Amino acid sequence: QKEVEQNSGPLSVPEGAIASLNCTYSDRGSQSFFWYRQYSGKSPELIMSIYSNGDKEDGRFTAQLNKASQYVSLLIRDSQPSDSATYLCAVTSQGGSEKLVFGKGTKLTVNP
Amino acid sequence: NAGVTQTPKFRILKIGQSMTLQCTQDMNHNYMYWYRQDPGMGLKLIYYSVGAGITDKGEVPNGYNVSRSTTEDFPLRLELAAPSQTSVYFCATRFGGTEAFFGQGTRLTVV
Repeated sequence: QKEVEQNSGPLSVPEGAIASLNCTYSDRGSQSFFWYRQYSGKSPELIMSIYSNGDKEDGRFTAQLNKASQYVSLLIRDSQPSDSATYLCAVTSQGGSEKLVFGKGTKLTVNP
Repeated sequence: NAGVTQTPKFRILKIGQSMTLQCTQDMNHNYMYWYRQDPGMGLKLIYYSVGAGITDKGEVPNGYNVSRSTTEDFPLRLELAAPSQTSVYFCATRFGGTEAFFGQGTRLTVV
């Protein structure tokens, strides 16, 4: 089982819709969870971090964490064409917070 | 304050050659990482370090070596380059449990 798995893409949504991105992880001891956005040819940039169960909202973005189900998601409300990118889920493991592992990413396209 | 600096940005290597990818940070972060990203894929962890003198293997360490003699520098060494090592390499740093900051990447082609 891979350490971090993301729902297979690509994902295409119309402008203004809600985009839902999902991620599961295998290490029950994971403590820190991150969502990164990566535009083509660029470095990943942080969108959201979440450390405890529940929801965390930042503008149009909401991260949801369920440690019992080993599941973390990212919702993007009122999607914009500028949100078109690859979204990467990252999770710490190795019993602490040192090792940071990424999923394969989900490519999102927002159609005008 | 440059953040995370990677050099070179681009490199073409012949099969069997060796090279070192440089990564330097000025944020005084304790954790440093090397990832590779193949086309259309996510980031695969090669090696990481939690501090000077301490390194550990990631998901895909074969064919690579690292060292961490200072807090600032974390070079990645490729010995006997192979076409399978053609990829984009990213260096990243973190402070404790916070988010990672990335360098601009090194695009490596092995021919």
